[in-house]
Amino acid sequence: QVQLVESGGGVVQPGRSLRLSCAASEFTFRVYAMNWVRQAPGKGLEWVASVSSDGRKEFYADSVRGRFTISRDNSRNTLYLQIDSLRPDDTAVYYCARGSIRTACFDYWGQGTLVTVSS
Amino acid sequence: DIQMTQSPSTLSASIGDRVTISCRASQTISSWVAWYQQKPGKAPKLLIYKASSLESGVPSRFSGSGSGTEFTLNISSLQPDDVATYYCQQYNSESRTFGQGTRVETK
Repeated sequence: QVQLVESGGGVVQPGRSLRLSCAASEFTFRVYAMNWVRQAPGKGLEWVASVSSDGRKEFYADSVRGRFTISRDNSRNTLYLQIDSLRPDDTAVYYCARGSIRTACFDYWGQGTLVTVSS
Repeated sequence: DIQMTQSPSTLSASIGDRVTISCRASQTISSWVAWYQQKPGKAPKLLIYKASSLESGVPSRFSGSGSGTEFTLNISSLQPDDVATYYCQQYNSESRTFGQGTRVETK
């Protein structure tokens, strides 16, 4: 059974940095594009970033470009999201999601990790 | 970026009713639309891809239609388990924007 487990969330002060991780298992991680999606409390889903299967191509939402960096380590089956200069409006549950090869949609999601930006 | 606008924001229907949710794209996106269901406290679940293709394991009461800029998600007969928020998402571009969501409740 495909598993995606996010970690690294917590309470962080504005202006600080944070790195989220997503550990993947039970599928061939290196052949799948991967994605981050966030959801602010009580709000809708916001696509944040995507990375190609080999890690060479990265794509970002305008709202995070320049502060967020998506990366992956295919030898460790792990996806990352580096968040710099955290702002209160970055407060959200961050989900990692697998990009389906068959449909190009997000077919498996993790349970999410909560990031709270507060002083 | 391509914007996705859903309507209505909230929908209240009786069990057994047919439910229709609309999604409009700010520019033409062919059939590159997906629909997701999200229940409170849970991760989203893929229902429909390429506008009208049913994801494996999803009940046949769910269906999707549309192309270009106008898309629709239908639930033929609302069930208690369908109470959730539904999101459309475009994947015509690498920027995978979501609609703002439609919350479906029962009367």
